Amino acid sequence: EADIYQTPRYLVIGTGKKITLECSQTMGHDKMYWYQQDPGMELHLIHYSYGVNSTEKGDLSSESTVSRIRTEHFPLTLESARPSHTSQYLCASSDQTRALYGYTFGSGTRLTVV
Amino acid sequence: DAKTTQPPSMDCAEGRAANLPCNHSTISGNEYVYWYRQIHSQGPQYIIHGLKNNETNEMASLIITEDRKSSTLILPHATLRDTAVYYCIVPNTDKLIFGTGTRLQVFP
Repeated sequence: EADIYQTPRYLVIGTGKKITLECSQTMGHDKMYWYQQDPGMELHLIHYSYGVNSTEKGDLSSESTVSRIRTEHFPLTLESARPSHTSQYLCASSDQTRALYGYTFGSGTRLTVV
Repeated sequence: DAKTTQPPSMDCAEGRAANLPCNHSTISGNEYVYWYRQIHSQGPQYIIHGLKNNETNEMASLIITEDRKSSTLILPHATLRDTAVYYCIVPNTDKLIFGTGTRLQVFP
C-alpha cells in the first residue's frame, strides 16, 4: 500500500550516460529526501527538500542533483554516471505534523553503472 | 545528532523477546529517541519513539532509563520476519540520520 513510488526498481547503465531516478508521493507531504546506501552499509542522506523550489544537500556529498517543481515529485539526476555511483537510492517523504516518526520510504532504485 | 551506540549484531530465538540496547549518553532534555528498522534492502520502517516515559505500540515497547542515557527496544515475541537492521536515532535536526544499527537475526 505504498504511497511513495520510485522508478525504475533496477537500472543498469553505461558510464557517461545521464540518468534520472524518479520519486513521486501521493500523500501531499512537504518534505522529501534522498538517501544512498551501498550493500550492507549505512544509509546516507544526500538531498532533501522542504517544499516546492526548496532543495538542500545532505550530509554525504553527492554528484547528483535534485529538483522540486511539484510537491509530489522529487527526481534525482546524474549528469554523467560513473561506476562509483553504483548503489541503492531510497526516496522518502514526511509531513509537518508527524515529522521524524512519519517518514515513508519508497522501495528504492538499485543502480549499477558498468 | 546526539551520538548513539548500538551493538553491531544480535541473535534471538523465534518466539522469545528480543531486547535491543542503545546508548545515547549525550542526549539533551528535549530530544526524542526514535527507532526504525530496515528489512533486507527495503526502505526503513518506523517502529516507535519516546522522550522519557516508556512507550508501547502494536510493534514494540521502548524502555528509556530515568537518566535518559540509554534505552531498550523490546520485541516481545520475535518472529523470523523481525530479522532486520534496527536503528536507534536521536536527531537534533529535523532530518533522520541513520547510523550503523544492530543487525538482529531471529532463528527458528
